[in-house]
Amino acid sequence: AQTVTQSQPEMSVQEAETVTLSCTYDTSESDYYLFWYKQPPSRQMILVIRQEAYKQQNATENRFSVNFQKAAKSFSLKISDSQLGDAAMYFCAYNSGGSNYKLTFGKGTLLTVNP
Amino acid sequence: NAGVTQTPKFRVLKTGQSMTLLCAQDMNHEYMYWYRQDPGMGLRLIHYSVGEGTTAKGEVPDGYNVSRLKKQNFLLGLESAAPSQTSVYFCASSYMWTGKAGELFFGEGSRLTVL
Repeated sequence: AQTVTQSQPEMSVQEAETVTLSCTYDTSESDYYLFWYKQPPSRQMILVIRQEAYKQQNATENRFSVNFQKAAKSFSLKISDSQLGDAAMYFCAYNSGGSNYKLTFGKGTLLTVNP
Repeated sequence: NAGVTQTPKFRVLKTGQSMTLLCAQDMNHEYMYWYRQDPGMGLRLIHYSVGEGTTAKGEVPDGYNVSRLKKQNFLLGLESAAPSQTSVYFCASSYMWTGKAGELFFGEGSRLTVL
C-alpha cells in the first residue's frame, strides 16, 4: 500500500522568508501524481500545487514550488516570501492514477508564520 | 458559487444514536468523497462515489453507510454512533479522478462529537 510521510509535525518561518516542508512517499508505481493541500484555520482544504511523476520539471505556482526527486521518492514544498496568510496545516497527498480514485494523505505539517 | 456544502456543521450525539451528514455540490462533479480527519492522522477516506447510484468503500468504511441517489448529493450515515467516530468529516468532489488534471474541492467540514 502507498504511504505518505511528513516528518515535520510543525514548522515556523519569519514573514518574508522561505520555508521548505518535507514529504516522502512509498510506491512501486512508475506513473503517479503528487499534491500539496493547504488547510487554513477555517478548515476548508484547498489545492496548492500538483506534480505529475512523468514530468521532470518541478511544478511552480507563484510563491509555491516543489522539489520532486523521483528516485528518492521525495516531494518537498517550498514557500518563498512567506506571508501571514500562509499559516495553515499543509498536507502532502499521493494518487497512483489509472482508475484509482483514492487520494492518500500524509499526517500534515502545521506551519506558523511569525511577523 | 456555493461549491461543496456540508450540513450540519456541528453535531453532538450520544452513543448508539444515528445521524446523516449531507453533502451537496453545485459543480456537476461526477466524483464525490467522504473523509474523516483526526489529530495526527491526516485525512482518511471513508467512502466514495464515481457517479450517481454508485458507492465504494475507502480506507475506513466500518460503521458508516453512504448513498448517492442524486448526482449532486452524497450522504454519509452513522447507524449507531460510537465515541470512536468523534471526528471532523469532510466531503469533497471532483470532475475527474484525482490523478490527472482533476483536483478535490472540499466542503468546510462537519465536527461530530459522540458522547
